Amino acid sequence: EAQVTQNPRYLITVTGKKLTVTCSQNMNHEYMSWYRQDPGLGLRQIYYSMNVEVTDKGDVPEGYKVSRKEKRNFPLILESPSPNQTSLYFCASSVTTGGLNEKLFFGSGTQLSVL
Amino acid sequence: AQSVTQPDIHITVSEGASLELRCNYSYGATPYLFWYVQSPGQGLQLLLKYFSGDTLVQGIKGFEAEFKRSQSSFNLRKPSVHWSDAAEYFCAVGARGATNKLIFGTGTLLAVQP
Repeated sequence: EAQVTQNPRYLITVTGKKLTVTCSQNMNHEYMSWYRQDPGLGLRQIYYSMNVEVTDKGDVPEGYKVSRKEKRNFPLILESPSPNQTSLYFCASSVTTGGLNEKLFFGSGTQLSVL
Repeated sequence: AQSVTQPDIHITVSEGASLELRCNYSYGATPYLFWYVQSPGQGLQLLLKYFSGDTLVQGIKGFEAEFKRSQSSFNLRKPSVHWSDAAEYFCAVGARGATNKLIFGTGTLLAVQP
């Protein structure tokens, strides 16, 4: 089954404790992206990757890191989480045709709470 | 830079009634336009998209949307709503040549009354 898998689904942590949210897709997609969803703000892009070893900032990259060492994996790293990073996070991947991302496939989300 | 507005935060319709969710965009040229749906506890799923051609596009689950350039709108419609359509709906706009930078609206939460 084609899918984007995020782990964990729920995470409670404390300020300053490094954490990683994993994301894996089994569709051989080149494009992957991370979003955060906050009430009243919709989805905002954190980072995206056009291919292995190619990453770029989205609209809200501060406080986050990513890496793309393999095509299928795109982990999101919070080196020193702060309470304003409490949010619902989504990973997505996409079919890319002629440079056009036609359809995003989303994971089920990770609800992060930073105390 | 492109932007997208969904003016309705919350809409309630009766089952069997028609539905129209509004989406307005701002972009200097014809953008790529998308509607996604998010069911409770789930990720987003693509309903339909407009890239070019016929301005009335059909999607999954009986939804359709019409691109109106003169009004900078891409409203989502369904003739008869089912209880299972209760969800949050997001309009998104992508710039030509840069769809890696999709901009999402703030969403419209749809409730369906029996």
